[in-house]
Amino acid sequence: GAVVSQHPSWVICKSGTSVKIECRSLDFQATTMFWYRQFPKQSLMLMATSNEGSKATYEQGVEKDKFLINHASLTLSTLTVTSAHPEDSSFYICSLLGQGPIDEQYFGPGTRLTVT
Amino acid sequence: GNSVTQMEGPVTLSEEAFLTINCTYTATGYPSLFWYVQYPGEGLQLLLKATKADDKGSNKGFEATYRKETTSFHLEKGSVQVSDSAVYFCALIYGGSQGNLIFGKGTKLSVKP
Repeated sequence: GAVVSQHPSWVICKSGTSVKIECRSLDFQATTMFWYRQFPKQSLMLMATSNEGSKATYEQGVEKDKFLINHASLTLSTLTVTSAHPEDSSFYICSLLGQGPIDEQYFGPGTRLTVT
Repeated sequence: GNSVTQMEGPVTLSEEAFLTINCTYTATGYPSLFWYVQYPGEGLQLLLKATKADDKGSNKGFEATYRKETTSFHLEKGSVQVSDSAVYFCALIYGGSQGNLIFGKGTKLSVKP
């Protein structure tokens, strides 16, 4: 399967600042990437679907102006949490959509964001 | 709407014990079903999958059968190992969703030697 990396793996920031999280596909050109959010002891919740070269599609309840997604190339998607608040503290995970007969996704290791 | 419910953890077993993690789903149409595993410090990995009723997915000694009549996809392993300690997620994709996975909450498994 595809190898997906995320950077940083862990970040602490102050309230009001912005944080950028990178998701890279190391060996696969991904036209579609996904961004998930995971709270402790909760399921992964899809935030948005990122398509290369076009605007991301956000799930209901996700603020697109707060969570900026840029999928500028087939190997890189970024999520920027703008004006972060403590309630944005969470585990953010990206994945990319494979090209097999089944909609298999390949996941990054995740980024732990803590907003103080 | 579409949803996945799996048994709450954590589950603690001794090595070589039998494992069952229950998973039931609610979906319109005929979804594809998955089990993903997340080892400590790593990203989710696909463990097994089934795309239609009565299909059995299997991998690394784990099995799950797509039961349409009970809308279930329970994960089983006959003899667990310490290395199986991880968090297991049941998930589904409904048709035409462009890969929109819906996950259960995850079940943490700890296997003691």
